[in-house]
Amino acid sequence: LAKTTQPISMDSYEGQEVNITCSHNNIATNDYITWYQQFPSQGPRFIIQGYKTKVTNEVASLFIPADRKSSTLSLPRVSLSDTAVYYCLVGEGTGGFKTIFGAGTRLFVKA
Amino acid sequence: EAQVTQNPRYLITVTGKKLTVTCSQNMNHEYMSWYRQDPGLGLRQIYYSMNVEVTDKGDVPEGYKVSRKEKRNFPLILESPSPNQTSLYFCASRTPGQINTEAFFGQGTRLTVV
Repeated sequence: LAKTTQPISMDSYEGQEVNITCSHNNIATNDYITWYQQFPSQGPRFIIQGYKTKVTNEVASLFIPADRKSSTLSLPRVSLSDTAVYYCLVGEGTGGFKTIFGAGTRLFVKA
Repeated sequence: EAQVTQNPRYLITVTGKKLTVTCSQNMNHEYMSWYRQDPGLGLRQIYYSMNVEVTDKGDVPEGYKVSRKEKRNFPLILESPSPNQTSLYFCASRTPGQINTEAFFGQGTRLTVV
């Protein structure tokens, strides 16, 4: 499984765009990159997934450079309710559901 | 409504008293998994199951057991709980593969072992 590295925490203000970068130097050719969001005392929730270039949905955008050794989750115009922990996951594991979440990035949005 | 249901949500127990946390999903997912979450450590996988009667250890399996007799249920068993198993537990399910196969998580079970 590819190991991921994210910043431990980030601060932002309401209305700003937030970019969280994840490093995954050992990503395999067939690995996808998936981001989850977790609020306190709740289970993680899927945000977005991508393989290369750019993916956008109603919540976020995911930018993946050509070498795929990193990815950036972009949250446009954050609000206080975006305060959460964000996890970057890579790959599925060798044929199973062995998934490593890591410590994630704690985003704190201030008024 | 698609959901993963864990019970109980909160549990306080004493050291050594066997307990079971149930997990049930209504999405016909093959994959199910248990995680524990402790402050500063993120989610760590305990056990996972790829289908009925197929289970395997995650990163922190010591002190836990699981079973998968039916597709929808994946109970977590603590035969002899200890205080270091005090944690927030999450069950998750999804379909196999990587593409468009988001994991659905339960509401969590907060366990305290005294």
